[in-house]
Amino acid sequence: AQSVTQLGSHVSVSEGALVLLRCNYSSSVPPYLFWYVQYPNQGLQLLLKYTTGATLVKGINGFEAEFKKSETSFHLTKPSAHMSDAAEYFCAVRNNAGNMLTFGGGTRLMVKP
Amino acid sequence: KAGVTQTPRYLIKTRGQQVTLSCSPISGHRSVSWYQQTPGQGLQFLFEYFSETQRNKGNFPGRFSGRQFSNSRSEMNVSTLELGDSALYLCASSLSSANTEAFFGQGTRLTVV
Repeated sequence: AQSVTQLGSHVSVSEGALVLLRCNYSSSVPPYLFWYVQYPNQGLQLLLKYTTGATLVKGINGFEAEFKKSETSFHLTKPSAHMSDAAEYFCAVRNNAGNMLTFGGGTRLMVKP
Repeated sequence: KAGVTQTPRYLIKTRGQQVTLSCSPISGHRSVSWYQQTPGQGLQFLFEYFSETQRNKGNFPGRFSGRQFSNSRSEMNVSTLELGDSALYLCASSLSSANTEAFFGQGTRLTVV
């Protein structure tokens, strides 16, 4: 069975500071990994994905994530936070047998002016 | 290209009633998945349909059912509604090839009173 753990249900940073959202996964097969963002009363928007190949993945809005197999991690980073980054972020792993996503519990990012 | 469309956006139902939610995937996408999002349980997979066949199913009671039509549109039905069924129901569509991501609709907010 697959599982995803996001450390920290709430993260607060100052505008301009580094954003680091942590994600660890467990999977018995090479995983497909995703980060999604959710704004209030909205669906999920894909930020970035890792399938195969380069382990450093760049996404939209300046976010990137690094797949580290030895650490079973897929942490999300952004060098400089903007107020518009305030949202909830979800890490997910995909079942290779289909399109079932297993999500972490989410991390709410707050950005202080 | 139109995104994933879910209707209705908001619903209020009474305990014991049944409800049907609709999802129109992105044109050309043949896989549709449904998720339930609640503050307590987070994002949980309900089921996935591909070419009118249920391919994966999550751990939900039989009151939750779904179907997919030949044009890939999908519906999910919840019978004998309980207060705990109040949630945001999200639909996601995928091409269903190896390296694709899921695109989410804005969701249907169901409130059971």
